[in-house]
Amino acid sequence: QKEVEQNSGPLSVPEGAIASLNCTYSDRGSQSFFWYRQYSGKSPELIMFIYSNGDKEDGRFTAQLNKASQYVSLLIRDSQPSDSATYLCAVNEGDSSYKLIFGSGTRLLVRP
Amino acid sequence: DAMVIQNPRYQVTQFGKPVTLSCSQTLNHNVMYWYQQKSSQAPKLLFHYYDKDFNNEADTPDNFQSRRPNTSFCFLDIRSPGLGDAAMYLCATSSRTAQGYTFGSGTRLTVV
Repeated sequence: QKEVEQNSGPLSVPEGAIASLNCTYSDRGSQSFFWYRQYSGKSPELIMFIYSNGDKEDGRFTAQLNKASQYVSLLIRDSQPSDSATYLCAVNEGDSSYKLIFGSGTRLLVRP
Repeated sequence: DAMVIQNPRYQVTQFGKPVTLSCSQTLNHNVMYWYQQKSSQAPKLLFHYYDKDFNNEADTPDNFQSRRPNTSFCFLDIRSPGLGDAAMYLCATSSRTAQGYTFGSGTRLTVV
């Protein structure tokens, strides 16, 4: 069964610190990787996507991908209390470019 | 603004009473999805439409049905809701060129 694994947390960091969120996936055929942020009681919101090995930066967010290790991570620099949310990692099924498998998310808590 | 709209935002239904959740989109995306998400769990794909083609997940209960009368609208029908069907139901859309999914705001279903 194809799986996406995340540590459920909570990951607690002080305001201004770097938060590091990790995700592993089982399907070696996966080519597209996404990070969604989900506030309590709300729907997921796309914050980053990455397709190639290496780093991709967008503002305070950096996504990192290592396909050989089947590992994707999200770094949040200068963490703010408003970043407190659950972060879902999503990966496409290897034989489908448009069907995503989600992890259960890591809850991030940024302490003021 | 182009978006995905789900109605209602909250739905309370009686045990065993059929209920329909709706989703509409102005993005003109050809793929529409229904996910079920329970507390602290990953969104679970129930089914999706690729254009008019319906794709059911193998473990989606028969109690769940879907209709897509046109590109813009998609409905989730729960024929006989049980207490275990209480969850957030998320509609999402994507296309061949879209980066990931666009989610609606979700419908929180309570079964009493």
